[in-house]
Amino acid sequence: AQSVTQLGSHVSVSEGALVLLRCNYSSSVPPYLFWYVQYPNQGLQLLLKYTSAATLVKGINGFEAEFKKSETSFHLTKPSAHMSDAAEYFCAVSDRGNYQLIWGAGTKLIIKP
Amino acid sequence: EAQVTQNPRYLITVTGKKLTVTCSQNMNHEYMSWYRQDPGLGLRQIYYSMNVEVTDKGDVPEGYKVSRKEKRNFPLILESPSPNQTSLYFCASSFFAGGDGELFFGEGSRLTVL
Repeated sequence: AQSVTQLGSHVSVSEGALVLLRCNYSSSVPPYLFWYVQYPNQGLQLLLKYTSAATLVKGINGFEAEFKKSETSFHLTKPSAHMSDAAEYFCAVSDRGNYQLIWGAGTKLIIKP
Repeated sequence: EAQVTQNPRYLITVTGKKLTVTCSQNMNHEYMSWYRQDPGLGLRQIYYSMNVEVTDKGDVPEGYKVSRKEKRNFPLILESPSPNQTSLYFCASSFFAGGDGELFFGEGSRLTVL
């Protein structure tokens, strides 16, 4: 069965520093991959998704993620963290032909002034 | 404005008292789903619906019921709530039943069962 692992339940970075949130999936067949963000007291919203076009995917708010098949990874990055990026980030995957999303446990991003 | 609306946003109830959390979307989406979010466990799917009158169990359906009589509404029913159903609940909808489609989420309903 498909699974998703997000390394680190909490990641802390200084404002202006690089943000790297890790996501690994278990499928041997390239799936659809997503990153969602949850700001405090809000629902989740889509940051970006990979659906087999370019392996480097650009999303909203300056975030991007790179699909690496050999590493079964889809890590999320942002060159320079902003205080407004403080939120919880979820990686999710769905198998092609399967209609359900499998979710990672989430990573809370903390931004230090 | 395109949105998914859940009510109530906050609810405290007691064990065994039936409750319903409503969910409505105004985007004409076919697919709707309920999730619960618990610390360290991410999102777990409770039930989903591919279209009107079509519902299926997700990963954690025990203790919950749903119905999909109209395309826009997908209420979550707790017939006899128990403390282990204390959680943050999200309703979501999509044009497509997962796959590469974007999910649109409501703002969440925080339920406490005493």
